[in-house]
Amino acid sequence: NAGVTQTPKFRVLKTGQSMTLLCAQDMNHEYMYWYRQDPGMGLRLIHYSVGEGTTAKGEVPDGYNVSRLKKQNFLLGLESAAPSQTSVYFCASSYGTAAYNSPLHFGNGTRLTVT
Amino acid sequence: GDSVTQMEGPVTLSEEAFLTINCTYTATGYPSLFWYVQYPGEGLQLLLKATKADDKGSNKGFEATYRKETTSFHLEKGSVQVSDSAVYFCALSPKGGSYIPTFGRGTSLIVHP
Repeated sequence: NAGVTQTPKFRVLKTGQSMTLLCAQDMNHEYMYWYRQDPGMGLRLIHYSVGEGTTAKGEVPDGYNVSRLKKQNFLLGLESAAPSQTSVYFCASSYGTAAYNSPLHFGNGTRLTVT
Repeated sequence: GDSVTQMEGPVTLSEEAFLTINCTYTATGYPSLFWYVQYPGEGLQLLLKATKADDKGSNKGFEATYRKETTSFHLEKGSVQVSDSAVYFCALSPKGGSYIPTFGRGTSLIVHP
């Protein structure tokens, strides 16, 4: 009964380093999302995917890349980390065919600090 | 574009007090509406939802009614507990286009014994 699993839970990077955040869901959901959460800013959508092999930009895509090679996995990459990318990152998933009626299922987040 | 506006927090209450967190939205057509709750150190989880006008969503003593005429979806609970302390997010999902949901900024609730 895993739901949405994010790895790692915590990470500290130096400016300019790269990393990949992994999101895995076992609910056969079509849609997957990456959000960042910052104090006073709520949730901001970085990128999303409406199915295997597809990706699209959200509200704040700059500095991030994503891939959805398998339906169950959605990867978020930071090619050259910056202190402004210090945040808590959440992955979420939902059904596609009735997405408007389907709630999002969230992972427990990855806390990233860039020094 | 679509938008969701929530009252700013934090909302601080004593145990057993009545809770209202206001939420209004702007959207084309009639979206589905949701309330999510985020406990410390966790991701968001669905609290309740309503998919059409006049629907009432309810869960764990919380209620919200979809009001088309005032474009609102206010969250209420008659008697809060310390364990209700969390951040609450109002959200909408459009019934068309990309179906991508829009979230409010969240309202922090602190309940004191």
